[in-house]
Amino acid sequence: GAVVSQHPSRVICKSGTSVKIECRSLDFQATTMFWYRQFPKQSLMLMATSNEGSKATYEQGVEKDKFLINHASLTLSTLTVTSAHPEDSSFYICSARGTGSFHEQYFGPGTRLTVT
Amino acid sequence: LAKTTQPISMDSYEGQEVNITCSHNNIATNDYITWYQQFPSQGPRFIIQGYKTKVTNEVASLFIPADRKSSTLSLPRVSLSDTAVYYCLVGDENSGNTPLVFGKGTRLSVIA
Repeated sequence: GAVVSQHPSRVICKSGTSVKIECRSLDFQATTMFWYRQFPKQSLMLMATSNEGSKATYEQGVEKDKFLINHASLTLSTLTVTSAHPEDSSFYICSARGTGSFHEQYFGPGTRLTVT
Repeated sequence: LAKTTQPISMDSYEGQEVNITCSHNNIATNDYITWYQQFPSQGPRFIIQGYKTKVTNEVASLFIPADRKSSTLSLPRVSLSDTAVYYCLVGDENSGNTPLVFGKGTRLSVIA
């Protein structure tokens, strides 16, 4: 099956710094990528949808100036958490969809962000 | 996207069959039903998808009644490694840009 990778898998940063998370589709071209955030014992919460070459669409309540998303190529999307605070500590998961059907959405392994 | 309702948690002993039911009363004509599995600190993994009646693969079976307002994921002879959260999602097969929206899921605990 299709593979989506994320890097890094874990990151610890100091409050006020920025962190970049990469999401790559390894063996297919992803026209659309999605970013989710998951707090402990909770479900995945959609943050934004990004299409290659265009601006991301953010869900209500997600600050687009704080969570910068770039989808510059068909295989790479990045999420940058700017001026991170401890409340941004979470598990960030990306998913990628190719040109196939609804269920052909593949998830990355996630990135654990801890802001100290 | 149609809203889904699932039990918050379930417990089962190893070797038993587990059935998790999901309600989706507002399912639309073009909507498919998809189930995902998520282990702690991992991304969700696709299990099975169906439109109506019954679908079976090497991992699970999915039963969908004629009115499609609910569906049941059946896991045969569960093992400890099946302990995970299971999510039921409903959406349009042809909506390429529509994201998957996750409900609360069902936390399955398999006991030895």
